[in-house]
Amino acid sequence: QVQLQESGPGLVKPSETLSLICAVSGYPISSGYYWGWIRQSPGKGLEWIASINHGGITYYNPSLNSRLSISMDTSENQFSLKLTSVTAADTAVYYCGRDRDDASFAAFDIWGQGTMVTVSS
Amino acid sequence: EIVLTQSPATLSLSPGERATLSCRASQSVGSSLAWYQQKPGQAPRLLIYHASNRATGIPARFSGSGSGTDFTLTISSIEPEDFAVYYCQQRSNWYTFGQGTKVEIK
Repeated sequence: QVQLQESGPGLVKPSETLSLICAVSGYPISSGYYWGWIRQSPGKGLEWIASINHGGITYYNPSLNSRLSISMDTSENQFSLKLTSVTAADTAVYYCGRDRDDASFAAFDIWGQGTMVTVSS
Repeated sequence: EIVLTQSPATLSLSPGERATLSCRASQSVGSSLAWYQQKPGQAPRLLIYHASNRATGIPARFSGSGSGTDFTLTISSIEPEDFAVYYCQQRSNWYTFGQGTKVEIK
């Protein structure tokens, strides 16, 4: 059974960098699929952030691209997100998920429980 | 960016009734349309992918249809555990989500 678990600081100061980790169990991420991040805020609803595949290929939401970095650590079976220069608009629940990014699927089929991140001084 | 518009915003139904939720895309997404269910305090759960395919473990009362710009999620006979918020999502050049339809108890 594949499970994902997000971790990271619950509070980040404005202009700083938000760093999150998603630990995957039940499946070696080096074996396949894309793995991604989605966030949810009251103001903007659900918003896809970025995804990375088992070969290290990445793609980013163009509206956040300049501030984003996604990476993978296959030895720890986890992947990470960094979002720089955060503002209050980045306050949200952040989810990680398995991204079935193929033409016949194109959806996130497994999600973590989510972690709340607040940007405030 | 492809914008997804869901209607209605809120749907009030009694258990056993049929639910019909709509999702309209600002341009064609082919069949790259998925539906999710979200309950308070929980992550979204995938119901339907590629417009009409039920995800693993999803009951047969949930069905999806449509292609191009107009899509529908139908719950044939709504159960008490189905009252939740439903989102559509497309994958064209990148993922975007609709704003959600809340299905509430009448």
